[in-house]
Amino acid sequence: GAGVSQSPSNKVTEKGKDVELRCDPISGHTALYWYRQSLGQGLEFLIYFQGNSAPDKSGLPSDRFSAERTGGSVSTLTIQRTQQEDSAVYLCASSWTGNSYGYTFGSGTRLTVV
Amino acid sequence: SQQGEEDPQALSIQEGENATMNCSYKTSINNLQWYRQNSGRGLVHLILIRSNEREKHSGRLRVTLDTSKKSSSLLITASRAADTASYFCATDEGNNRLAFGKGNQVVVIP
Repeated sequence: GAGVSQSPSNKVTEKGKDVELRCDPISGHTALYWYRQSLGQGLEFLIYFQGNSAPDKSGLPSDRFSAERTGGSVSTLTIQRTQQEDSAVYLCASSWTGNSYGYTFGSGTRLTVV
Repeated sequence: SQQGEEDPQALSIQEGENATMNCSYKTSINNLQWYRQNSGRGLVHLILIRSNEREKHSGRLRVTLDTSKKSSSLLITASRAADTASYFCATDEGNNRLAFGKGNQVVVIP
């Protein structure tokens, strides 16, 4: 597609429920990133995928968070047993090969845990 | 971890004026990038400057990099109301991610 697409754009969920956030990167971009942005804060790195290599999961805040990338394209970020502190905007970005090129970001998913 | 730190964190200027913001970082980098974020949107890549470059231009944007001081500046010339946004610097430390600062809110008053 023309840009990075994320869905849903907004998600309200009850505490304790699981949520899935989807990211469809730019075709041909081998690198895919998930970041989290809390109100008035910078971006917190969550996870990085590069081609068929094992993902870098070092930014995931707890074992309730997981992500996968199928066929080197679409990625899903799953948060199990959501907590109120998980409320944030989850941003996905893709890039040609990594940090040597700029990232293209999606518009994000605003997650609210009530 | 958050690497870049923007300064000032909030800036309000009149349309037509220049806006300058700074970014400081702590470790060695491969490159530094600036992004813009409009309210409720994702970030848009503006410009990338590599560690062996000192200055770069793109349209009304001018970026400088001083690796000895571990700092960068972003200058927006002849600002427009549409430049109202948050601006983030991000550093490539050679690991698998960019480290973003907390952002700099710029308001351009028509």
